Amino acid sequence: DAKTTQPNSMESNEEEPVHLPCNHSTISGTDYIHWYRQLPSQGPEYVIHGLTSNVNNRMASLAIAEDRKSSTLILHRATLRDAAVYYCILRANSGGYQKVTFGIGTKLQVIP
Amino acid sequence: SQTIHQWPATLVQPVGSPLSLECTVEGTSNPNLYWYRQAAGRGLQLLFYSVGIGQISSEVPQNLSASRPQDRQFILSSKKLLLSDSGFYLCAWSVGSGMGQFFGPGTRLTVL
Repeated sequence: DAKTTQPNSMESNEEEPVHLPCNHSTISGTDYIHWYRQLPSQGPEYVIHGLTSNVNNRMASLAIAEDRKSSTLILHRATLRDAAVYYCILRANSGGYQKVTFGIGTKLQVIP
Repeated sequence: SQTIHQWPATLVQPVGSPLSLECTVEGTSNPNLYWYRQAAGRGLQLLFYSVGIGQISSEVPQNLSASRPQDRQFILSSKKLLLSDSGFYLCAWSVGSGMGQFFGPGTRLTVL
């Protein structure tokens, strides 16, 4: 499986934008980029995914580099409820079962 | 809408005792099902996945087993628990290729 690299931790002030980076230099042409977040003592929650174009949804935006070797999850206004571990993973578009590897992720702290 | 249930939410078991964790999904058909384990402060480790009834694949050797007796039911079992089996167990489902995984609330298992 192609791997991703994320910073272990980041801090943000409340109500400011947050840019969470992810490197995936070995991404293949059929890999989707997925982001999840995990609040303490809960299961991971799907946030957003994309293939080539930038994506927006009610939770966040995903900016994908032109060469697809990196991406950035953007939280437009961080709230205290956004404090979580954010995982960037790659998922092959191969049908059926999808094996993915969740790394340690980025622990986001939001400062009031 | 789809929902995923896991029970129990927490469990404390002595070493050497058996284990049975259950996961059920509602609102979707023929999902791919997954069992993950998360040790304290660590990433998610994929334990088992299933693409259909009776079809189980194991990702890591261990004293755990999984079964899928019905389309939307996934069970994680052990005949004799070890101390190292303690952790946060998460069930997840997905459908289609390239799409997200959706996680259950998890079971926190403590083996004493």
